[in-house]
Amino acid sequence: DSGVTQTPKHLITATGQRVTLRCSPRSGDLSVYWYQQSLDQGLQFLIQYYNGEERAKGNILERFSAQQFPDLHSELNLSSLELGDSALYFCASSVVDRLAGAYNEQFFGPGTRLTVL
Amino acid sequence: AQTVTQSQPEMSVQEAETVTLSCTYDTSESDYYLFWYKQPPSRQMILVIRQEAYKQQNATENRFSVNFQKAAKSFSLKISDSQLGDAAMYFCAYRRGGGSQGNLIFGKGTKLSVKP
Repeated sequence: DSGVTQTPKHLITATGQRVTLRCSPRSGDLSVYWYQQSLDQGLQFLIQYYNGEERAKGNILERFSAQQFPDLHSELNLSSLELGDSALYFCASSVVDRLAGAYNEQFFGPGTRLTVL
Repeated sequence: AQTVTQSQPEMSVQEAETVTLSCTYDTSESDYYLFWYKQPPSRQMILVIRQEAYKQQNATENRFSVNFQKAAKSFSLKISDSQLGDAAMYFCAYRRGGGSQGNLIFGKGTKLSVKP
């Protein structure tokens, strides 16, 4: 158990719908990363938040958005869903302590399996 | 932009034998980390081993070791005494160093089968 939790584990929805995926990082971790794993694209970085602020963006579609709340949990919102959005969505967290200057491991959650029908 | 390439979509090894998974990467940065992650059928991402670019010594974790060739930008994973539980997808990944320590960049993965 990595200490990172993601809900729900599975989500089945229809095209055109909107869903929200939730991630709770490990206690004390300020940084949250979202990744998408699909058969076509492999594992891709979507977006990173650090202490409530967006830190970096990857290959995230405009239909997707995310946020990190004051309690540090994060939500990934996917709208106008298409068949191609079916994938496993991972959240990972890390400390990212600049003062530590050391390597900070990213701990992965179990993922949310999204199926768009 | 940094890229990670795994040229072996599938590999197979006999139980108790040794297998090497290949990975090459491209970067212009000097400070970075390289990783091997294991993804079993449960889909959980498990960190197997990590290598800091500034370290010349190859990382080792029990039966897992790497061959890090910085000049060639090569980072292979050797699994010794393979076990049935080693069967999984293996992903090579890159992450820049420094204070920000951003996202991971993954290769396409290698599916490892272990034959009893």
